[in-house]
Amino acid sequence: AQSVAQPEDQVNVAEGNPLTVKCTYSVSGNPYLFWYVQYPNRGLQFLLKYITGDNLVKGSYGFEAEFNKSQTSFHLKKPSALVSDSALYFCAVRVGSGTYKYIFGTGTRLKVLA
Amino acid sequence: GAGVSQSPSNKVTEKGKDVELRCDPISGHTALYWYRQSLGQGLEFLIYFQGNSAPDKSGLPSDRFSAERTGGSVSTLTIQRTQQEDSAVYLCASGERAIGPSTQYFGPGTRLLVL
Repeated sequence: AQSVAQPEDQVNVAEGNPLTVKCTYSVSGNPYLFWYVQYPNRGLQFLLKYITGDNLVKGSYGFEAEFNKSQTSFHLKKPSALVSDSALYFCAVRVGSGTYKYIFGTGTRLKVLA
Repeated sequence: GAGVSQSPSNKVTEKGKDVELRCDPISGHTALYWYRQSLGQGLEFLIYFQGNSAPDKSGLPSDRFSAERTGGSVSTLTIQRTQQEDSAVYLCASGERAIGPSTQYFGPGTRLLVL
């Protein structure tokens, strides 16, 4: 079955420390992977995506993600967390080829502590 | 430019009533998605429209749910005979390309509460 998993419901990190939000996937064909962020009382916003090419993808607000084919992972990272990064993060993957349907993970709430 | 808009922003209804939720995508976007976001459940895919092709309805949870997209633009999600378990935030997103893995631009959502 095709799926995407975010194993952590919540991640706490101190301001200034590096952060990682984990995502693993299981799909047939080439995976197209996305990260979206949902700030409180705001809609989901695109952060970054992996389609092909470099395994390290850079996105908005200083975030980056590393595509690891052997581990079927696409973890979101940032070298130095800000309190303003506190939000709900969703990983998404396109389901198979020839379709434009996406499945989203259950979300990880990131709390950056001052 | 204008983003994706949804109306109403909040809807309270009684069990058994029908509701219509509206989505105005970004102008020129050919792809339109509906998702449901329940507390602790992440985003659940409901339906996808791509240009003039037949929609992918594989995510609709029951035949009480239906959606249409008129003129390749505005979309309406209709829930008939609402149940309490339909309470959730309904999100609409549009994408700029009919093919390929385009970024989705989300609206603010409609928060539905079924009493």
